[in-house]
This record gives sequence, structure tokens and C-alpha cells, in this order.
Amino acid sequence: LAKTTQPISMDSYEGQEVNITCSHNNIATNDYITWYQQFPSQGPRFIIQGYKTKVTNEVASLFIPADRKSSTLSLPRVSLSDTAVYYCLVGDPRNYGQNFVFGPGTRLSVLP
Amino acid sequence: GAGVSQSPSNKVTEKGKDVELRCDPISGHTALYWYRQSLGQGLEFLIYFQGNSAPDKSGLPSDRFSAERTGGSVSTLTIQRTQQEDSAVYLCASSLASRENDEQFFGPGTRLTVL
Repeated sequence: LAKTTQPISMDSYEGQEVNITCSHNNIATNDYITWYQQFPSQGPRFIIQGYKTKVTNEVASLFIPADRKSSTLSLPRVSLSDTAVYYCLVGDPRNYGQNFVFGPGTRLSVLP
Repeated sequence: GAGVSQSPSNKVTEKGKDVELRCDPISGHTALYWYRQSLGQGLEFLIYFQGNSAPDKSGLPSDRFSAERTGGSVSTLTIQRTQQEDSAVYLCASSLASRENDEQFFGPGTRLTVL
């Protein structure tokens, strides 16, 4: 199972773009990269998932370089409500027998 | 409702008692997951069900923990002889478990406090 490494915390200001990078050097060929967001006292919520290059949805973009050993979650123009913990997961959707390791995540604090 | 539900939302118990936590997944979701989250920590994977089957139970912290799923739907996580270190939020999630869509939908969790 690919292990992921993320910064423990990040600070930003309202209106700025935030980029959170996740390292996954041992990513396997069939692994996808998924990001979740968690607010206090709530369960995590899916943000975005990708396999390679770039994926964009209404809330974020995910950039994955050709070697796939890292990925970057990009949040455009953050607001105070984006303050949360962000988790990067790597795994093969076909193999649900593996442990899903969320890790400590990145605690993003958006300041006014 | 259309989301994952868990009950109870809060449970306070005395050390040594047994507790049962319930998870109702989204209808049609074949995969169901249990996680544990201690205060200020990341999520700890406990067990996964594909249908009613749990292929790997090695994530359960001890033999005091057990889980079952019936009818491909409701799941219960049972903790016997609870200890103070079992205090945490227990989260359940479900997914379609397909390659095209393996997004996990999480419930609100059960906050367990062992006195």
C-alpha cells in the first residue's frame, strides 16, 4: 500500500489559492489518488479523485505529474469555511481488501 | 435520508461494559468501512465489508472488537469489555466500490466515551 506524506499544517488568507502537495513515492500502477476534507465533528467528505494529469471539479483541481509520485490539491480563492483537515489517499479501487490509511492529513487554517 | 446514518450519536459507558454501534449505509452501496478517530488524530482503518463478507479483519485493534454486516446493508461494530483507550469517534462509510466511482460517503460518527 502506497504511503503518503503531507504537510501537517498550512495557513492561508481569504481569497488566496492554496496548494497542498502529497508525496506517494510507492504508488502502484492501478492506484488512484483521492482527497478528502474533514470539518470538526464531521466525517470526511470526498473532494476529488484522479489517476494522472489534471482533474478539475467545481471545488478543486488535482494536478498529478507524469511519474505520479506526488499530487497537488489546488483550492482556488479559499474562504474561512475552507478551514479543515485535508487527507490524501492512494489506493486501487478494485482492491478493497487493503487498509485505507488516511494519515494525519494537512490542517488548513484560512485567516481573514 | 439518503446519507449514511449511525447510531447512537453519543455513547457513554463504563469500563468493562459491552457496546454496539450501528451503521446504515447508503442503499445500494456494496462496500462498507469502519474507522476510528481519536481526538485530534487521523482516521484509523478498522474493517471493510464487501457485501456481507469482511476479507481482512487484521485492522481490528484487539479480539474485543468484532463487526458484522447482514443483508448487505446494516452493519454493527461490537466492542466487548470496553477500555478507556477505546474512547474515540467511530466512523462508518459506504461506497459503490466500482473502479469508476469508489467515493466513500461518511456518516456523522458515534462518539464513544469509556469512563
